[in-house]
Parts: sequence; C-alpha cells; structure tokens
Amino acid sequence: DVQLVESGGGLVQPGGSLRLSCAASGFSFSSSAMAWVRQGPGKGLEWVSSINPSSDYTKYADSVKGRFTVSRDNFKNTLYLQMNSLRADDTAVYYCAKLDNFRFDSWGQGTLVTVSS
Amino acid sequence: QSALTQPPSVSGSPGQSVTISCTGTSSDIGTYNRVSWYQQPPGTAPKVMIYDVNNRPSGVPGRFSGSKSGNTASLTISGLQAEDESDYYCTSPTSSGTYVFGSGTKVTVL
Repeated sequence: DVQLVESGGGLVQPGGSLRLSCAASGFSFSSSAMAWVRQGPGKGLEWVSSINPSSDYTKYADSVKGRFTVSRDNFKNTLYLQMNSLRADDTAVYYCAKLDNFRFDSWGQGTLVTVSS
Repeated sequence: QSALTQPPSVSGSPGQSVTISCTGTSSDIGTYNRVSWYQQPPGTAPKVMIYDVNNRPSGVPGRFSGSKSGNTASLTISGLQAEDESDYYCTSPTSSGTYVFGSGTKVTVL
C-alpha cells in the first residue's frame, strides 16, 4: 500500500523557516511526480508546489514563489519543502501527495504549520 | 491564479441526486480534460473520487460521476447516501504548468 508520512510541522515565528519532510513507501517513489497541498484553518485546499521524478521541473504557487523550495531525495524516498520568510497566512495543514497523470492519487495525513508570535 | 468556483453548499435527501459545479477558465478546465474531484470528510485527508473528468478509481461507488462542458465541470452523486456527507473539491492543471483547486462544496444529506 502507498504510504506518505509528513513531518516537520510546528510553531514558528513570522519571518522564520521550517523544513517539511514526506517519507514515501509502497510505490516507486523515484518514478513518481509529487506535490505539496495545504489547507488553512477552515479553508479550502490550495496547491503549493510540484516536482517531477528527476527534480529538473518544479512549479510553485504565486503565493509561495521565492520563499518555498521543493526538493526530493530518491535514494531516501523522501520529499521536502523548505519554507522561508514564513507569514501568518502560511498557517495550514500541509499535505504531501503523489501525482499520477494530473491527479493527486494518494495523500499523507498532513502536518500542521502554525506561524505566530 | 484564482480558485475554481464551486457552490459553497448543496444538499439532498437520501436517494436523491445532487450536482456540484466547478467553473474555471479557458486556461484550465477549458483546455484540459484532466479535471479530478476529491472527497474530504472533516479532519481527514482528501480522497480522489473522479479523475480525467469522468473516470472513477477502483473502489469508488458507481453513484459518483463526472462531466465537463466548456469551462465548467460537474460532479453528480446519484442515489445520495448518508456517508456521502463531506466536503468536495475539484482541481485542474493549468496552462502555466500549475494546479488550481476549487473553492470547495459542502454536501449535506438531509
């Protein structure tokens, strides 16, 4: 079975940094595109970033461009999201998702990031 | 990129049909036959219910169906059941190589 387990969330002050990780198992991680999707408290889903299997194609939402960086380690089967210059409106549950032909076909349980002083 | 437009809520009695619309633009839904729909019960991760406009993953009940016309996609739940009460989101890739989600619709079973 596909398993995606996020970690690294927590409380951080405005302007601070955090790195999220997503440990993948049960599928060929090195052959799969991956994505981060977030959901603010009481809000809808928002696509944050995607990365292709070889890491040479990444995309970001305008709201995080220049502040967040997606990366992956295909040897460790792990996806990352480096988040810098965090703002209050970045507060959300961050989900890691596997992309399969334009659909998010598997999701992790999410990790909560709270940006507050 | 603005969110795709969905009605905030729809409701129906058990056994009835409900349809959720998802309106985008010619840069997303209008260009790609890659609309997918997700069900998200409170406090849980989303689950894909429909992909590529009208395809169901294995395990998804046949009462869920999808369609598309122009810049608008739709999800129909026929024979509504109590367990279908949830939030639903549509999504589409865009011509910029990004993805955009819908604003979300709460389905209530009366």
